[in-house]
Amino acid sequence: DTGVSQNPRHKITKRGQNVTFRCDPISEHNRLYWYRQTLGQGPEFLTYFQNEAQLEKSRLLSDRFSAERPKGSFSTLEIQRTEQGDSAMYLCASSLSGASTDTQYFGPGTRLTVL
Amino acid sequence: AQSVTQPDIHITVSEGASLELRCNYSYGATPYLFWYVQSPGQGLQLLLKYFSGDTLVQGIKGFEAEFKRSQSSFNLRKPSVHWSDAAEYFCAVGRMIKAAGNKLTFGGGTRVLVKP
Repeated sequence: DTGVSQNPRHKITKRGQNVTFRCDPISEHNRLYWYRQTLGQGPEFLTYFQNEAQLEKSRLLSDRFSAERPKGSFSTLEIQRTEQGDSAMYLCASSLSGASTDTQYFGPGTRLTVL
Repeated sequence: AQSVTQPDIHITVSEGASLELRCNYSYGATPYLFWYVQSPGQGLQLLLKYFSGDTLVQGIKGFEAEFKRSQSSFNLRKPSVHWSDAAEYFCAVGRMIKAAGNKLTFGGGTRVLVKP
């Protein structure tokens, strides 16, 4: 068990470009969450998967954002036509449904800087 | 809707002194409550959690937290702080709907500075 991993750890891009982040959850975990954290703030929920199904999306997730989890294992988060306001840390977490507290374990995050 | 307030943005404490971080939550049912710690540039590490039972919860690194339903609080404490405890601490409330996932709502965080 190597924990939740995220790639890349850092991404610098120019406004208008598309970016894609990857999250690999803990292997037996069937739930996967994406959060966004801006400087000086707590993380905010973006979206959630159970297996391959995307079950909930926040209003923060504009139509430029899309997330997938095609085989119920790793997940990708894509941002199209990036804007400077997208600069943030993007955190992924995974958990196991059926466990008493559905405790989420977080990855190290991907820090996005949009120039 | 669920919400979390951490009233203290920064706390400075001397090494060896005790630490208490405040957390107040709003939630319409019995909450899941969590404390996470984040070192600079890193992800979140779970310190402890509460969902039922004993209202005093023990966690890792010598931390404990007490759930007080009457005060809607879940304060984090440590009797003697070490320099390595300097970090940002987040309180979070999760909804208790097992079939619908456990979306977390976080407070704004408290940054802890440790003086030698």
